[in-house]
Amino acid sequence: DTEVTQTPKHLVMGMTNKKSLKCEQHMGHRAMYWYKQKAKKPPELMFVYSYEKLSINESVPSRFSPECPNSSLLNLHLHALQPEDSALYLCASSPTFRTGASVGEQFFGPGTRLTVL
Amino acid sequence: ELKVEQNPLFLSMQEGKNYTIYCNYSTTSDRLYWYRQDPGKSLESLFVLLSNGAVKQEGRLMASLDTKARLSTLHITAAVHDLSATYFCAVDGKDSSYKLIFGSGTRLLVRP
Repeated sequence: DTEVTQTPKHLVMGMTNKKSLKCEQHMGHRAMYWYKQKAKKPPELMFVYSYEKLSINESVPSRFSPECPNSSLLNLHLHALQPEDSALYLCASSPTFRTGASVGEQFFGPGTRLTVL
Repeated sequence: ELKVEQNPLFLSMQEGKNYTIYCNYSTTSDRLYWYRQDPGKSLESLFVLLSNGAVKQEGRLMASLDTKARLSTLHITAAVHDLSATYFCAVDGKDSSYKLIFGSGTRLLVRP
């Protein structure tokens, strides 16, 4: 299995709703990522998990809450979002290198198109 | 702070023509990635360039890396409409493990 899957593909939510985005990979990768992408912009890194531990939080507002239940799954819990949070949310995974060398190639999922009303 | 600059940001070209997209980065890095993104879709990995002088080719696309000049190029040969997409280069932030620094992207439109 050489792909990253994401559900749902589309999500519309109100500002008072609570929802979750899910990501799964079975490539044995031990680094997983959440990105946010606005139209005509590059992806912006939000969170990185390495060996199921949060290693990078790019000063993301607390209304976004990541979770990594195991090495194959990554969730992003959403609560009290704002309309400006509407975007394409991409999950990615990559191999890791324990000896401090740089990260490997990242493989991206198809994304969740989120609309906040 | 590592910065990655792509140019041009938008490229409209005719089918059959050749062109090059440039990716400059500001500090030392030994890995560079090229991705393709179709509208509303995810990013597809095209090339991983791991060392100075690396050259990779796939179909009508060829990517190269010059780490001394901190420059990568993505050359398009005899463009076809199917190559229309946005192309991003990204550099491995060596001092920021697990962090890719993306360029702004080059939106390529191939006209018949």
